[in-house]
Amino acid sequence: AQSVTQLGSHVSVSEGALVLLRCNYSSSVPPYLFWYVQYPNQGLQLLLKYTTGATLVKGINGFEAEFKKSETSFHLTKPSAHMSDAAEYFCAVTPSGSARQLTFGSGTQLTVLP
Amino acid sequence: DVKVTQSSRYLVKRTGEKVFLECVQDMDHENMFWYRQDPGLGLRLIYFSYDVKMKEKGDIPEGYSVSREKKERFSLILESASTNQTSMYLCASSTGVPNTEAFFGQGTRLTVV
Repeated sequence: AQSVTQLGSHVSVSEGALVLLRCNYSSSVPPYLFWYVQYPNQGLQLLLKYTTGATLVKGINGFEAEFKKSETSFHLTKPSAHMSDAAEYFCAVTPSGSARQLTFGSGTQLTVLP
Repeated sequence: DVKVTQSSRYLVKRTGEKVFLECVQDMDHENMFWYRQDPGLGLRLIYFSYDVKMKEKGDIPEGYSVSREKKERFSLILESASTNQTSMYLCASSTGVPNTEAFFGQGTRLTVV
């Protein structure tokens, strides 16, 4: 079984400041990890994913995340927040080799202050 | 682009009604999913299907059933709607390849009164 913990249900940053959204996972087998973003009244959109290979993954809109096996973490960062980044962000994990068992965290609402 | 289309954005139904939520994907994906999204709880899997007429229960299947008669279409059925089923429902699809992501529809916000 796997699980995902997102620390902080609400995060506020000023425009231009660093964005850091935390995700820790547990998985009995090597995981595949995903970050999704949800804008108001919309479905989820993939930001980035880690499957194998390079542990620093770059995604859309300037976001990146680093897979740290020793810390069981996959934190999402962006160097400079923009007003358009305000949304809810979800981390998700699936055991490698299984497309079916995608488990989501509870989400982090990001607010960007002017 | 992959498109996952949910038939309704907003629905209001009465307690006890039978409710059908429809989802269609246009990319010939093997897997289809129904999630429920509630504040503070993230997305919880209700059911998924990995082939036509095949289904498996997710984490919260009670009060729901599903139907997949054609590969592109996956329906969620609330047999007798209750107020605690008021929620956002999200449909998703993915290929059978493990390292590929799921694609989501826009969601259906269901209110049961």
